[in-house]
This record gives sequence, structure tokens and C-alpha cells, in this order.
Amino acid sequence: QVQLVQSGAEVKRPGSSVKVSCKASGGEASGDSFSSQTFIWVRQAPGQGPEWMGRIIPILGITDSVDRLQGRVTISADKSTSTVFMELTGLTYEDTAVYYCAIYSGFLYASDIWGQGTTVTVSS
Amino acid sequence: DIQMTQSPSSVSAFVGDRVSITCRASQDINKWLAWYQQKPGKAPKLLMHSASNLQSGVPPRFSGTGSGTEFTLTINSLQPEDFAIYFCQQARSFPLTFGQGTRLDIK
Repeated sequence: QVQLVQSGAEVKRPGSSVKVSCKASGGEASGDSFSSQTFIWVRQAPGQGPEWMGRIIPILGITDSVDRLQGRVTISADKSTSTVFMELTGLTYEDTAVYYCAIYSGFLYASDIWGQGTTVTVSS
Repeated sequence: DIQMTQSPSSVSAFVGDRVSITCRASQDINKWLAWYQQKPGKAPKLLMHSASNLQSGVPPRFSGTGSGTEFTLTINSLQPEDFAIYFCQQARSFPLTFGQGTRLDIK
């Protein structure tokens, strides 16, 4: 079974950037199997529902993100290390949230594998 | 974007009760709806996909119905471990969108 392990908590100043990593391991987590997955990023502000941020399909080189974050979020992948990344620039207090990566299954039309979450706190 | 609205926002129940949670989509999403359970400090856990298909390993006291714009998650014979927050998520189109959540508390 594939596991997703995310990088640790971050505290950032307003206006700065954060880059969160998500490494896939176990099961079919390397090489072409990694590249053929759809990885999504979801964030959850305190007390709020999840918000889909964007996705990447490494094998197709496809990335897209939610309109209201376009220009601030970059999702990328390193096939050699089976790791996906999410970078968010121009941080504001409203970006304080737990950020999750997950694998979106085109068979289930849902995400059955999630990372443990990375807390990003924006504070002056 | 497709908007997802859950009701109620919170519900209290006893162990052994049956509880239903509703999720409405702002447009027809066919059967492309998933339900997740989330406990404090944890990632969401997939319970149900395609509206009514139980995810592997999830107890059969969980069931899902609906299609189009209205969906229901029912939990029969509540167990102590079921007290959590539940989210619906549409998968009809990107961007994927989630409901705001229903908190299920023990009475």
C-alpha cells in the first residue's frame, strides 16, 4: 500500500512563501506507477471544510489549480524521488491551514490515500 | 464551481442511534459523490465513493444513497468511534469541492 509522508510544520511571515513536500513510498510508489498517479493538494483552515487547491499528473505533465489561487500556487513533481511539491507564495494570514496531499483515484472518483498533513502558520 | 451544502452542520446522538447526513450539490453530479470521516488532527478517511459504494474496510453500518443533486450518508447503530466530522465531496468535475462538514457528537 502506498504511503504519503509530508514535510514538517512551518511558520511563515506574511508575504513569504512556503514549499511543502509529499513523498510516496511503498506499494506502487516508484517509477511509472508514481508518475501515472493523480496527486492532489487540499487545505483545511481551522474549523473549516477542506478546500481543493490543485492537482498534478506527473506522467502527463498536467497541473492545474483552483482559480482563486492561480498565480500563487505551483505544484510540481520529482519522479526520481517519487515526491510532489506544493509551493504557495504571497502568504497571508488566511493561508494558515493544514495542507494535505492525497492520491486521487480515477477508479473510485475519490481519494483513498492521504498524507498526514502539514500545518502552515502565517504569523508576524 | 459546484457548491456542496451539508445539513445539519452538527448533530448529537447516543451510541446505538441511527443518524443521517444530507449533502446537496448546486448542479447534477450524477453519482460522483464521496463521503469522508475526519477525526481531530487526522487526515480525512474515505468511507464511501460513487455515492453508495462502501470503501474497503469500512463497516457496513455506513451506507450512502442518492444521485443527481441530493445525497444521504446514514450510520446505523452508532459506535463510539463514529463520533467525528463528516464531509461530502463531489467528483463530477474539477475543481473538486467539499461540503462544509457535519460534526457528530456523542449525547
